[in-house]
Amino acid sequence: EPEVTQTPSHQVTQMGQEVILRCVPISNHLYFYWYRQILGQKVEFLVSFYNNEISEKSEIFDDQFSVERPDGSNFTLKIRSTKLEDSAMYFCASSEWDRVMNTEAFFGQGTRLTVV
Amino acid sequence: ELKVEQNPLFLSMQEGKNYTIYCNYSTTSDRLYWYRQDPGKSLESLFVLLSNGAVKQEGRLMASLDTKARLSTLHITAAVHDLSATYFCAVEGLKYGGSQGNLIFGKGTKLSVKP
Repeated sequence: EPEVTQTPSHQVTQMGQEVILRCVPISNHLYFYWYRQILGQKVEFLVSFYNNEISEKSEIFDDQFSVERPDGSNFTLKIRSTKLEDSAMYFCASSEWDRVMNTEAFFGQGTRLTVV
Repeated sequence: ELKVEQNPLFLSMQEGKNYTIYCNYSTTSDRLYWYRQDPGKSLESLFVLLSNGAVKQEGRLMASLDTKARLSTLHITAAVHDLSATYFCAVEGLKYGGSQGNLIFGKGTKLSVKP
């Protein structure tokens, strides 16, 4: 069964360092997303990406964040200068664009980012 | 601002019992999603509810949607230990008509089923 894959599963980084989280969405999907979940809290939307550009972003997604689809398969989230409060589980998700039949988003296993 | 509220946030129940989790939301969205999350794991899609009056069932779980009341319910029938997890409802926070929107999640209901 097709699935969204994320690497690495766990990343530890020092405050101020740049990190890149990687995702391979399901191959025929057109919409890609990043969400985050701070430990024990709810899942929060960061950004959606369609047709090689950001379609929506939340207030969390400030200038420290960027997304890219560098090739036909990968979708990345970069945090330029990490802060302690960026520590969270980051989920990548993808979906087909079919609002009539099924707009279900499939989530990857997540990358746990720990900023020390 | 779109709000999605779930209750209860914590639910401890005995095996064999029935219970309902409620999800209220504050916009006119006609699409609602239920996800399950096991500790340290990803979000597993359970139900996609696409219209008013939609009802879907899978095993011991049944979800329904009332768009007029802006309410969805997740009903658990004869709970078993394997259902222990956190359950999230989510609504699309659409900004652009016709395009895929982001998901706004509730805080989740942590369900613990005890023998």
